[in-house]
Amino acid sequence: DQQVKQNSPSLSVQEGRISILNCDYTNSMFDYFLWYKKYPAEGPTFLISISSIKDKNEDGRFTVFLNKSAKHLSLHIVPSQPGDSAVYFCAASGGTGGFKTIFGAGTRLFVKA
Amino acid sequence: ETGVTQTPRHLVMGMTNKKSLKCEQHLGHNAMYWYKQSAKKPLELMFVYNFKEQTENNSVPSRFSPECPNSSHLFLHLHTLQPEDSALYLCASSQVGGGNVWTQYFGPGTRLLVL
Repeated sequence: DQQVKQNSPSLSVQEGRISILNCDYTNSMFDYFLWYKKYPAEGPTFLISISSIKDKNEDGRFTVFLNKSAKHLSLHIVPSQPGDSAVYFCAASGGTGGFKTIFGAGTRLFVKA
Repeated sequence: ETGVTQTPRHLVMGMTNKKSLKCEQHLGHNAMYWYKQSAKKPLELMFVYNFKEQTENNSVPSRFSPECPNSSHLFLHLHTLQPEDSALYLCASSQVGGGNVWTQYFGPGTRLLVL
């Protein structure tokens, strides 16, 4: 049973437009959420995170929104750039104790020039 | 070297072989992790070490044996693997105790093929 779901395996966006990547989770005990970005032949790199006490966190072109009642978070990239083309993983942590972070399956973003 | 390094980057082994994957972190972190990533599946946590002590073993088969001799090095010893164990194996580290414990820093991974 997947506790973190990214239902869109891929997304294609024109350069300069907004990219919206979505993530749903089932465990209401999660209290920290992260987005990682992965290029081919590299490990995932941390992008942005949000605590469950907030509903929005912004860092430059990247904004993460959290809707706790819907158990949904999204990553907005504005404006999208070709260098943003990568696989984006949503992850959730906490609540269960220990050091477990549960990852989604990832969404591959293509930004077309 | 900076960040988290993993060797080898690629490995092909037969089902009767014994091999080891190595991970080294140069970030001064005190927790290290092994993950498995199979095609089109989420990253699966395998093991967690905190201050060299194993704190998580996510129901991993005994043909995978981790070793953490110090807080900077982590090994994954492999023996009698199955073809379905072919995957990308990722190592990560984080700093536990103060601040953001959940941000992990990943190595580039070892692509393993079991024949």
